[in-house]
Amino acid sequence: DTAVSQTPKYLVTQMGNDKSIKCEQNLGHDTMYWYKQDSKKFLKIMFSYNNKELIINETVPNRFSPKSPDKAHLNLHINSLELGDSAVYFCASSHRFRSAFGSGTRLTVV
Amino acid sequence: AQTVTQSQPEMSVQEAETVTLSCTYDTSESDYYLFWYKQPPSRQMILVIRQEAYKQQNATENRFSVNFQKAAKSFSLKISDSQLGDAAMYFCAYRTPNAGGTSYGKLTFGQGTILTVHP
Repeated sequence: DTAVSQTPKYLVTQMGNDKSIKCEQNLGHDTMYWYKQDSKKFLKIMFSYNNKELIINETVPNRFSPKSPDKAHLNLHINSLELGDSAVYFCASSHRFRSAFGSGTRLTVV
Repeated sequence: AQTVTQSQPEMSVQEAETVTLSCTYDTSESDYYLFWYKQPPSRQMILVIRQEAYKQQNATENRFSVNFQKAAKSFSLKISDSQLGDAAMYFCAYRTPNAGGTSYGKLTFGQGTILTVHP
């Protein structure tokens, strides 16, 4: 079983659309994250949830809204998609010093 | 704020040789974790090695070892007996310490180093 699974793996959509990326972890970790990897491969934290509570929100446009229905799930909803949102989005989870990453969702906005 | 710097955008090595990737970081904290991650073309993030700041001994994992210099805030990765499968983007990362027993320390990544392995 995949430890951190995110869907879809690829997402191509038009500007102005709303889309969601789902993430689930089966490791029992207490903290989940969304990271964005841009076209230059730079990875940056977007959000972090600990036990369903938002604890990190790193200057991300409010078009991005994370939702954590329970400790094992963290979804990312993006409204009014823009060309600059094209990137790879990684979900991750952690407990103490251990982290696990999903395989990433490549979002292309056309 | 913590920053992580990888000054080598690209490195190359011959198969079976040794290569060292550099990383420096900036922090005012005394307790933290440092990591090296490997990202092959499949884009999966793979943990290579971890170092706890409170440990003086350098971490090793098979062919991978680190040179951790806490005072200099330096954390380099040495890959011995390089293999074709080592070719990937390598990221150095810093993790803020745990707070209250939880683990919501975020990972701060360097810019990455592309490693090419020549046969």
